[in-house]
Amino acid sequence: DAKTTQPNSMESNEEEPVHLPCNHSTISGTDYIHWYRQLPSQGPEYVIHGLTSNVNNRMASLAIAEDRKSSTLILHRATLRDAAVYYCILRDAYQFYFGTGTSLTVIP
Amino acid sequence: EPEVTQTPSHQVTQMGQEVILRCVPISNHLYFYWYRQILGQKVEFLVSFYNNEISEKSEIFDDQFSVERPDGSNFTLKIRSTKLEDSAMYFCASSDTGPYQPQHFGDGTRLSIL
Repeated sequence: DAKTTQPNSMESNEEEPVHLPCNHSTISGTDYIHWYRQLPSQGPEYVIHGLTSNVNNRMASLAIAEDRKSSTLILHRATLRDAAVYYCILRDAYQFYFGTGTSLTVIP
Repeated sequence: EPEVTQTPSHQVTQMGQEVILRCVPISNHLYFYWYRQILGQKVEFLVSFYNNEISEKSEIFDDQFSVERPDGSNFTLKIRSTKLEDSAMYFCASSDTGPYQPQHFGDGTRLSIL
């Protein structure tokens, strides 16, 4: 099913970097690692995804371990708007398996 | 930026009635999905749809549910004979060139069964 493990919650100070970890020890060679977030009362929002190499986009960076058994989502400067539940998802064909995610609190 | 839009934002229905939830995916997208989220619980996959047919469905998506793309822009989820436990947020999503591409979600329809 979900195949990923994330801490239930994390806190960060505003304007500081945040590193959100995810373990996926049973990942297969063709599984992409996707990150989504869900702000209160909204639908999930795509953040970033990757396969083997580290990835950067305007929202975040994704660091993938060499053995691909873990990854880290990096928000370079947390803002209050980044307070959300962050989901690390392994893509299995058409389905996304959302776990319980990490609830990020940003402290002003 | 193009968006997935869902209507209505809140639907209240009597138990046993049929309900249709509507979605307008992003216009050039080819893959469509429905998810649900019961209050306080995980987001759960229901069904994916491509080329006018269901490509994958979960155990939740039983005979009570059906999906349709009635025209070139809408994508609907029909729930027949609604039950109290169908109360949830229902999210529509779409992706463009393939199921491995990022999915874009709407803000959902809150379905309340009385």
